[in-house]
Amino acid sequence: GENVEQHPSTLSVQEGDSAVIKCTYSDSASNYFPWYKQELGKRPQLIIDIRSNVGEKKDQRIAVTLNKTAKHFSLHITETQPEDSAVYFCAASRGTGGYNKLIFGAGTRLAVHP
Amino acid sequence: SQTIHQWPATLVQPVGSPLSLECTVEGTSNPNLYWYRQAAGRGLQLLFYSVGIGQISSEVPQNLSASRPQDRQFILSSKKLLLSDSGFYLCAWESHSNQPQHFGDGTRLSIL
Repeated sequence: GENVEQHPSTLSVQEGDSAVIKCTYSDSASNYFPWYKQELGKRPQLIIDIRSNVGEKKDQRIAVTLNKTAKHFSLHITETQPEDSAVYFCAASRGTGGYNKLIFGAGTRLAVHP
Repeated sequence: SQTIHQWPATLVQPVGSPLSLECTVEGTSNPNLYWYRQAAGRGLQLLFYSVGIGQISSEVPQNLSASRPQDRQFILSSKKLLLSDSGFYLCAWESHSNQPQHFGDGTRLSIL
């Protein structure tokens, strides 16, 4: 079945450094790739998403890149701040049939140290 | 604006007891609705989704069922809870497959 692998499982950086989280998907028909941030005990919140018709999308300090040929996509956070500390999840879906069956990665726990 | 409500926020239930978790969405019509489960320290697993009233699709065979009695109401149920049903249950909605999914605050379910 469909699978999304996410690496690394934990990531520790110093404040101001960049952080990169990578995901690989198995279903070549996937066309929608969101990223969620989940703080401890809270709901996942969408931070950025990308569709397969673009290769890169940026929103202030956050960017996502997509390589359809290699079937992988990455989240880039620049100038990290302590409030960026959370668990980040990538997901992929086909977006066909009028709904999105999101397949999630296992998550990356990001710790930003002051 | 659209909002999503889930209740209860936390629930402690004995093994073998029934379950009913409710999710409602406001400010939109005919949303796609989803139930996910998140085990402690793990990713999200899709359990059920619904594209309309009475239309339920199940992703994982299990001890749970879902129903959508009204356009903006999604209910997760069980007749007899198992220890393995413990977890963080999240409801999500999207207005259309071209729009992102947004999650409710979740229900933390503990089975004793």
